[in-house]
Amino acid sequence: AQSVAQPEDQVNVAEGNPLTVKCTYSVSGNPYLFWYVQYPNRGLQFLLKYITGDNLVKGSYGFEAEFNKSQTSFHLKKPSALVSDSALYFCAVRDMDGANNLFFGTGTRLTVIP
Amino acid sequence: DAGITQSPRHKVTETGTPVTLRCHQTENHRYMYWYRQDPGHGLRLIHYSYGVKDTDKGEVSDGYSVSRSKTEDFLLTLESATSSQTSVYFCAISESFGGQTTNEKLFFGSGTQLSVL
Repeated sequence: AQSVAQPEDQVNVAEGNPLTVKCTYSVSGNPYLFWYVQYPNRGLQFLLKYITGDNLVKGSYGFEAEFNKSQTSFHLKKPSALVSDSALYFCAVRDMDGANNLFFGTGTRLTVIP
Repeated sequence: DAGITQSPRHKVTETGTPVTLRCHQTENHRYMYWYRQDPGHGLRLIHYSYGVKDTDKGEVSDGYSVSRSKTEDFLLTLESATSSQTSVYFCAISESFGGQTTNEKLFFGSGTQLSVL
């Protein structure tokens, strides 16, 4: 079975500080991992993805994510948070070797405080 | 939002009535999806389509049906709406999906807020 856990419903960070949004996953085969962001009253937007290769993936708006196979994690990071980064962030996983369904986490609301 | 139009944007209906939501894309993408978004559940896949007249069930398909008669249109029907189907519904599209594909990326519409009273 495939699943994604985002252990924090809410993350608050001061503007200019580094931010981390956590994600752990479970798949039976090789994982295909994504981060999406949702701004108010909008659909989700793609941020970045991990397929294979480098464990550090760079994406849109200065975000990056680190794939850690031993910890089955794919945490989203940014060195310096902006107020405009405030949004709802979703981690998603698909089993590359199995079913074609993409499973989303429950989301983490990031608030960047000026 | 990447050439995806969902209609209506908001709808209020009564329990037991049929409801159809429409998703229209101008990107000519092969794959189309319907998700519902609920607090505490994130996004859950209802149905998806991998081509004209080719559809399959997702994890929460009970009470929903879909149709895709043209590449650009994907319809979601609630056969007899219930209060548990009150949700925000998102349509998504992608050019490729599944297996070992490397350029997989979903593009989402702006959503339909459905309230079933």
